[in-house]
Amino acid sequence: KAGVTQTPRYLIKTRGQQVTLSCSPISGHRSVSWYQQTPGQGLQFLFEYFSETQRNKGNFPGRFSGRQFSNSRSEMNVSTLELGDSALYLCASKGQETQYFGPGTRLLVL
Amino acid sequence: SQQGEEDPQALSIQEGENATMNCSYKTSINNLQWYRQNSGRGLVHLILIRSNEREKHSGRLRVTLDTSKKSSSLLITASRAADTASYFCATDITSGTYKYIFGTGTRLKVLA
Repeated sequence: KAGVTQTPRYLIKTRGQQVTLSCSPISGHRSVSWYQQTPGQGLQFLFEYFSETQRNKGNFPGRFSGRQFSNSRSEMNVSTLELGDSALYLCASKGQETQYFGPGTRLLVL
Repeated sequence: SQQGEEDPQALSIQEGENATMNCSYKTSINNLQWYRQNSGRGLVHLILIRSNEREKHSGRLRVTLDTSKKSSSLLITASRAADTASYFCATDITSGTYKYIFGTGTRLKVLA
């Protein structure tokens, strides 16, 4: 089985712009979660989607949003980027119990 | 503070030695999982231990879980330079809907 894939792997944006990140889960997995990882805050949960519905949400502002498509692929959008949004964004798909992570998208906001 | 907190924050050992890292959490869990992350890359799943299990082995890894103390430990035996990475515990909490909470991680450095 192919693993979790994320695109793009690297991204540079400027403040005020918006960005969309994509995640393709492992085939058959219906749950996709997104995390933000920064040196200062560690790994923080953004949201989880299951069968196209947001099932759980972390404590992030409304600028962070996501969606899931019928094929379980998920996108995450960040609007009005701020310098503090520079981070590694990780997507994880889950089958029964275990989350499997993608390689991440490293976003740099200038 | 976070649900999961690993201890120590950093650990440096010689190749061949054992490495032990600990994780404490606050609320009831369904399971606890350990992950490895190499230098800012994705997380690799290592092992899952359910709340009704006390110990689990996988190759050179041994994980214990003490739900009364709300803590877990990860032991890596006969460490190798390739084990150099950050290790995180993640708890699948029972309250509310499914959500994983990650600790802050232990940075392990294995010296050749």
